[in-house]
Amino acid sequence: GENVEQHPSTLSVQEGDSAVIKCTYSDSASNYFPWYKQELGKGPQLIIDIRSNVGEKKDQRIAVTLNKTAKHFSLHITETQPEDSAVYFCALASGTYKYIFGTGTRLKVLA
Amino acid sequence: DSGVTQTPKHLITATGQRVTLRCSPRSGDLSVYWYQQSLDQGLQFLIQYYNGEERAKGNILERFSAQQFPDLHSELNLSSLELGDSALYFCASSGETGLGVTQYFGPGTRLTVL
Repeated sequence: GENVEQHPSTLSVQEGDSAVIKCTYSDSASNYFPWYKQELGKGPQLIIDIRSNVGEKKDQRIAVTLNKTAKHFSLHITETQPEDSAVYFCALASGTYKYIFGTGTRLKVLA
Repeated sequence: DSGVTQTPKHLITATGQRVTLRCSPRSGDLSVYWYQQSLDQGLQFLIQYYNGEERAKGNILERFSAQQFPDLHSELNLSSLELGDSALYFCASSGETGLGVTQYFGPGTRLTVL
Protein backbone atom coordinates (compact mmCIF):
# COMPACT_ATOMS: atom_id res chain seq x y z
CA GLY A 1 0.00 0.00 0.00
CA GLU A 2 0.92 3.66 -0.02
CA ASN A 3 3.51 4.81 2.47
CA VAL A 4 5.52 7.90 3.19
CA GLU A 5 9.14 7.83 4.24
CA GLN A 6 10.27 10.75 6.37
CA HIS A 7 13.86 11.72 7.15
CA PRO A 8 15.56 12.43 9.40
CA SER A 9 13.88 11.00 12.48
CA THR A 10 15.69 13.47 14.70
CA LEU A 11 17.29 16.80 13.87
CA SER A 12 19.20 19.20 16.08
CA VAL A 13 20.07 22.65 14.83
CA GLN A 14 21.48 25.78 16.38
CA GLU A 15 19.10 28.66 16.85
CA GLY A 16 19.08 30.80 13.72
CA ASP A 17 20.10 27.95 11.42
CA SER A 18 17.83 26.31 8.87
CA ALA A 19 16.15 22.93 9.17
CA VAL A 20 15.05 20.71 6.31
CA ILE A 21 12.86 17.62 6.57
CA LYS A 22 12.18 15.44 3.56
CA CYS A 23 9.43 12.98 2.70
CA THR A 24 9.25 10.58 -0.20
CA TYR A 25 6.20 8.73 -1.46
CA SER A 26 5.25 6.23 -4.10
CA ASP A 27 1.66 6.93 -5.19
CA SER A 28 1.72 9.37 -8.10
CA ALA A 29 -2.02 10.01 -7.63
CA SER A 30 -1.40 11.87 -4.37
CA ASN A 31 -2.25 15.52 -4.80
CA TYR A 32 -2.26 17.13 -1.35
CA PHE A 33 0.73 17.35 0.97
CA PRO A 34 0.28 18.95 4.41
CA TRP A 35 2.84 19.36 7.15
CA TYR A 36 1.89 19.18 10.81
CA LYS A 37 3.67 20.32 13.95
CA GLN A 38 2.99 18.44 17.15
CA GLU A 39 4.07 19.88 20.47
CA LEU A 40 4.26 17.80 23.59
CA GLY A 41 0.81 16.88 24.90
CA LYS A 42 -1.03 18.41 21.97
CA GLY A 43 -2.60 17.29 18.74
CA PRO A 44 -0.94 17.83 15.35
CA GLN A 45 -1.35 21.36 14.05
CA LEU A 46 -1.33 22.17 10.35
CA ILE A 47 1.51 24.58 9.59
CA ILE A 48 1.66 24.58 5.81
CA ASP A 49 0.35 22.57 2.89
CA ILE A 50 0.88 22.30 -0.82
CA ARG A 51 -1.15 20.94 -3.67
CA SER A 52 0.21 19.01 -6.62
CA ASN A 53 -0.18 21.85 -9.10
CA VAL A 54 2.28 24.02 -7.15
CA GLY A 55 6.02 23.50 -6.78
CA GLU A 56 6.70 25.71 -3.79
CA LYS A 57 4.81 27.57 -1.11
CA LYS A 58 6.15 29.92 1.53
CA ASP A 59 4.70 31.32 4.72
CA GLN A 60 7.12 33.57 6.61
CA ARG A 61 9.92 31.32 7.89
CA ILE A 62 8.34 28.12 6.64
CA ALA A 63 8.36 26.80 3.09
CA VAL A 64 7.39 23.56 1.41
CA THR A 65 8.70 22.32 -1.91
CA LEU A 66 7.23 19.55 -4.00
CA ASN A 67 8.93 17.55 -6.72
CA LYS A 68 6.23 15.40 -8.29
CA THR A 69 8.58 13.78 -10.75
CA ALA A 70 10.90 12.56 -8.03
CA LYS A 71 7.97 12.04 -5.63
CA HIS A 72 9.34 13.94 -2.72
CA PHE A 73 8.41 17.03 -0.77
CA SER A 74 10.31 18.92 1.86
CA LEU A 75 9.71 21.30 4.74
CA HIS A 76 12.16 24.16 5.15
CA ILE A 77 12.32 26.23 8.34
CA THR A 78 14.65 29.22 8.26
CA GLU A 79 15.98 31.27 11.18
CA THR A 80 14.92 28.57 13.62
CA GLN A 81 13.84 29.55 17.10
CA PRO A 82 13.55 27.47 20.28
CA GLU A 83 9.75 27.46 19.94
CA ASP A 84 10.15 25.58 16.65
CA SER A 85 11.21 22.56 18.72
CA ALA A 86 8.54 19.90 18.21
CA VAL A 87 7.75 16.78 16.20
CA TYR A 88 6.95 17.46 12.56
CA PHE A 89 4.88 15.12 10.41
CA CYS A 90 4.48 15.11 6.68
CA ALA A 91 1.33 13.64 5.22
CA LEU A 92 -0.35 13.10 1.93
CA ALA A 93 -3.83 12.46 0.72
CA SER A 94 -3.83 9.18 -1.11
CA GLY A 95 -6.51 6.92 -2.47
CA THR A 96 -10.03 7.91 -1.53
CA TYR A 97 -10.26 9.97 1.60
CA LYS A 98 -7.54 8.76 3.88
CA TYR A 99 -4.37 10.47 4.88
CA ILE A 100 -1.02 8.75 5.17
CA PHE A 101 1.40 10.22 7.69
CA GLY A 102 5.14 10.05 7.84
CA THR A 103 6.84 8.69 10.94
CA GLY A 104 7.75 12.12 12.27
CA THR A 105 10.90 14.17 12.81
CA ARG A 106 11.82 15.38 16.26
CA LEU A 107 13.35 18.83 15.78
CA LYS A 108 15.38 20.34 18.57
CA VAL A 109 16.52 23.93 18.27
CA LEU A 110 19.46 24.62 20.53
CA ALA A 111 19.66 28.07 22.04
CA ASP B 1 -6.83 25.96 19.62
CA SER B 2 -8.16 24.03 16.61
CA GLY B 3 -11.80 24.16 17.70
CA VAL B 4 -12.01 20.35 17.88
CA THR B 5 -12.73 19.02 21.36
CA GLN B 6 -12.12 15.54 22.69
CA THR B 7 -13.11 13.91 25.96
CA PRO B 8 -11.82 12.50 28.16
CA LYS B 9 -8.25 13.75 28.09
CA HIS B 10 -6.94 10.65 29.87
CA LEU B 11 -8.42 7.22 30.31
CA ILE B 12 -6.99 4.32 32.29
CA THR B 13 -8.66 0.96 32.11
CA ALA B 14 -7.96 -2.76 32.25
CA THR B 15 -7.59 -5.39 29.57
CA GLY B 16 -10.87 -6.80 28.33
CA GLN B 17 -12.79 -3.62 29.08
CA ARG B 18 -14.68 -1.32 26.73
CA VAL B 19 -14.31 2.45 26.47
CA THR B 20 -15.90 5.27 24.49
CA LEU B 21 -14.01 8.29 23.27
CA ARG B 22 -15.89 11.39 22.25
CA CYS B 23 -15.15 14.09 19.68
CA SER B 24 -16.88 17.33 18.79
CA PRO B 25 -15.79 18.77 15.46
CA ARG B 26 -15.21 22.43 14.67
CA SER B 27 -18.39 24.38 14.25
CA GLY B 28 -19.74 23.76 10.77
CA ASP B 29 -17.44 20.85 9.95
CA LEU B 30 -19.26 17.81 8.62
CA SER B 31 -16.37 15.38 8.45
CA VAL B 32 -14.73 13.62 11.37
CA TYR B 33 -11.63 11.44 11.25
CA TRP B 34 -10.17 9.18 13.93
CA TYR B 35 -6.47 8.41 14.27
CA GLN B 36 -4.39 6.27 16.59
CA GLN B 37 -0.90 7.40 17.54
CA SER B 38 1.41 4.93 19.21
CA LEU B 39 5.15 4.97 19.70
CA ASP B 40 5.84 2.12 17.31
CA GLN B 41 3.14 2.73 14.69
CA GLY B 42 3.11 6.49 14.34
CA LEU B 43 -0.11 8.21 13.32
CA GLN B 44 -2.52 5.73 11.78
CA PHE B 45 -5.82 6.63 10.14
CA LEU B 46 -8.71 4.59 11.55
CA ILE B 47 -11.98 5.79 10.07
CA GLN B 48 -13.80 8.79 8.64
CA TYR B 49 -17.40 9.93 8.84
CA TYR B 50 -19.09 12.56 6.78
CA ASN B 51 -22.43 13.97 7.84
CA GLY B 52 -23.32 10.82 9.74
CA GLU B 53 -22.18 8.28 7.19
CA GLU B 54 -19.01 6.22 7.15
CA ARG B 55 -16.84 7.49 4.29
CA ALA B 56 -13.49 5.71 4.56
CA LYS B 57 -11.86 3.01 6.61
CA GLY B 58 -8.22 2.65 7.44
CA ASN B 59 -6.44 0.31 9.82
CA ILE B 60 -9.31 -0.07 12.22
CA LEU B 61 -9.60 -3.30 14.16
CA GLU B 62 -12.87 -5.22 14.29
CA ARG B 63 -12.92 -4.62 18.06
CA PHE B 64 -13.19 -0.90 17.35
CA SER B 65 -16.23 0.90 16.00
CA ALA B 66 -17.31 4.47 15.53
CA GLN B 67 -20.33 6.53 14.70
CA GLN B 68 -21.28 10.10 13.98
CA PHE B 69 -24.48 11.45 15.44
CA PRO B 70 -27.00 13.93 13.97
CA ASP B 71 -25.40 16.77 15.93
CA LEU B 72 -22.13 15.75 14.17
CA HIS B 73 -20.24 14.70 17.26
CA SER B 74 -18.55 11.34 16.96
CA GLU B 75 -17.73 8.49 19.29
CA LEU B 76 -15.04 5.85 18.97
CA ASN B 77 -15.80 2.63 20.83
CA LEU B 78 -12.94 0.34 21.74
CA SER B 79 -13.82 -3.08 23.15
CA SER B 80 -12.00 -6.16 24.46
CA LEU B 81 -9.08 -3.88 25.12
CA GLU B 82 -5.55 -5.22 24.93
CA LEU B 83 -2.31 -3.79 26.25
CA GLY B 84 -1.33 -2.86 22.70
CA ASP B 85 -4.33 -0.56 22.40
CA SER B 86 -2.62 1.90 24.72
CA ALA B 87 -2.08 4.98 22.57
CA LEU B 88 -3.12 8.52 21.88
CA TYR B 89 -6.38 8.72 19.95
CA PHE B 90 -6.95 11.83 17.91
CA CYS B 91 -10.01 13.14 16.25
CA ALA B 92 -9.80 15.60 13.37
CA SER B 93 -12.46 17.44 11.44
CA SER B 94 -12.82 19.17 8.11
CA GLY B 95 -15.50 21.17 6.40
CA GLU B 96 -15.60 19.12 3.26
CA THR B 97 -14.48 15.68 2.28
CA GLY B 98 -12.31 14.23 -0.43
CA LEU B 99 -8.70 14.69 -1.46
CA GLY B 100 -6.94 17.82 -0.40
CA VAL B 101 -9.16 19.05 2.42
CA THR B 102 -7.47 20.47 5.48
CA GLN B 103 -7.94 18.48 8.66
CA TYR B 104 -7.88 20.12 12.10
CA PHE B 105 -6.87 17.93 15.01
CA GLY B 106 -8.17 17.83 18.53
CA PRO B 107 -5.93 17.56 21.61
CA GLY B 108 -6.33 13.78 21.80
CA THR B 109 -7.33 11.20 24.39
CA ARG B 110 -4.55 9.24 26.03
CA LEU B 111 -5.69 5.67 26.64
CA THR B 112 -3.72 3.45 28.99
CA VAL B 113 -4.68 -0.20 29.20
CA LEU B 114 -3.26 -1.99 32.23
